[in-house]
Amino acid sequence: EAQVTQNPRYLITVTGKKLTVTCSQNMNHEYMSWYRQDPGLGLRQIYYSMNVEVTDKGDVPEGYKVSRKEKRNFPLILESPSPNQTSLYFCASSPPFEDTQYFGPGTRLTVL
Amino acid sequence: DAKTTQPTSMDCAEGRAANLPCNHSTISGNEYVYWYRQIHSQGPQYIIHGLKNNETNEMASLIITEDRKSSTLILPHATLRDTAVYYCIVRLNAGGTSYGKLTFGQGTILTVHP
Repeated sequence: EAQVTQNPRYLITVTGKKLTVTCSQNMNHEYMSWYRQDPGLGLRQIYYSMNVEVTDKGDVPEGYKVSRKEKRNFPLILESPSPNQTSLYFCASSPPFEDTQYFGPGTRLTVL
Repeated sequence: DAKTTQPTSMDCAEGRAANLPCNHSTISGNEYVYWYRQIHSQGPQYIIHGLKNNETNEMASLIITEDRKSSTLILPHATLRDTAVYYCIVRLNAGGTSYGKLTFGQGTILTVHP
């Protein structure tokens, strides 16, 4: 089944403890992206990647890192999480020259 | 990307057609209309997109006016599982610095009643 998977789905952590949220897609898509969703603010893009080893900042990249060493994986790294990063995170992928994006199920992160 | 305007909320009876309007009066000639939906706290789901011709797939139909200033998403036989927030997005299909960055507005909350 074509899908985007994220792990973990739920995470409660404490300020400053490094964490990684994994994202993987099995559709051979070049493009991948991370969004965060907060009440009243809609979905905001954090980082995106046009292909392997090509990443760029979205609208709200501060406090996040990403890497794209393989086509299928696009992990989101929070080196020193803070409470304002408590949010619902979505990973998405799409084939080239299309904006038909496929979203993962979401990761609900709480930083205490 | 052109700005879109959608009603905040709509209701629909189960089994009836749900018609969700979207205004995009500043759309340019090479911008597409995309529709996504998000069922509570799940990942957004792509529904359909079109440029100027009407489009239909297994989920919905998209009707775009001749002047392209507005469109309507039609769910022909709404079910309770269609209750969701529906987003109308206008953007270039590919290329450019905004490629891939979907800007979700507030959308329309569709509630399907038994």
